[in-house]
Amino acid sequence: DAKTTQPPSMDCAEGRAANLPCNHSTISGNEYVYWYRQIHSQGPQYIIHGLKNNETNEMASLIITEDRKSSTLILPHATLRDTAVYYCIVRVRNNAGNMLTFGGGTRLMVKP
Amino acid sequence: NAGVTQTPKFQVLKTGQSMTLQCAQDMNHNSMYWYRQDPGMGLRLIYYSASEGTTDKGEVPNGYNVSRLNKREFSLRLESAAPSQTSVYFCASIPGGGRGKQYFGPGTRLTVT
Repeated sequence: DAKTTQPPSMDCAEGRAANLPCNHSTISGNEYVYWYRQIHSQGPQYIIHGLKNNETNEMASLIITEDRKSSTLILPHATLRDTAVYYCIVRVRNNAGNMLTFGGGTRLMVKP
Repeated sequence: NAGVTQTPKFQVLKTGQSMTLQCAQDMNHNSMYWYRQDPGMGLRLIYYSASEGTTDKGEVPNGYNVSRLNKREFSLRLESAAPSQTSVYFCASIPGGGRGKQYFGPGTRLTVT
């Protein structure tokens, strides 16, 4: 699975959009981009994933660049409850092991 | 659906003691995983079971054994606990074929003194 690079921490004002970047310059053509978050030592929670098209669900939007070497997770209206560590992961969706490789992630602090 | 459940939630062991961490899922998922998370770190895969009857090592398997008892249950055993195994342990599952998202349990906080 390709390695990802994320900033270690970010701040965001409550009610504003939080834009979390991720670099994955060695991503392969069959690897998907996944985002998970972990709120204060709870189990990680799935947010969204995509291959090459932009994706949106009830939690967030995922913007993937045309060359697929980087992506951005957007929380459109951040709340205090969005304070968490956000992990960007790339992996082959249907590989036999289905493993997720977690790096250090980005610690997002949403401030009032 | 309860999702992924883990027992116990907390455990304190002395060095050399053994214990088994239990994990169960009620979503009929084929694949199950055990991760550990040390303070301030990301998750690291210990063992996984791609399907019932199979298990494979992950990134940090030393000092652990696993059993995929049936499709629902995947246990992690520490035969002789060491202080280096102090960590939070998460179990997870995913539907077959690698499709869909991975669901995580609430974690077991283990301290080895």
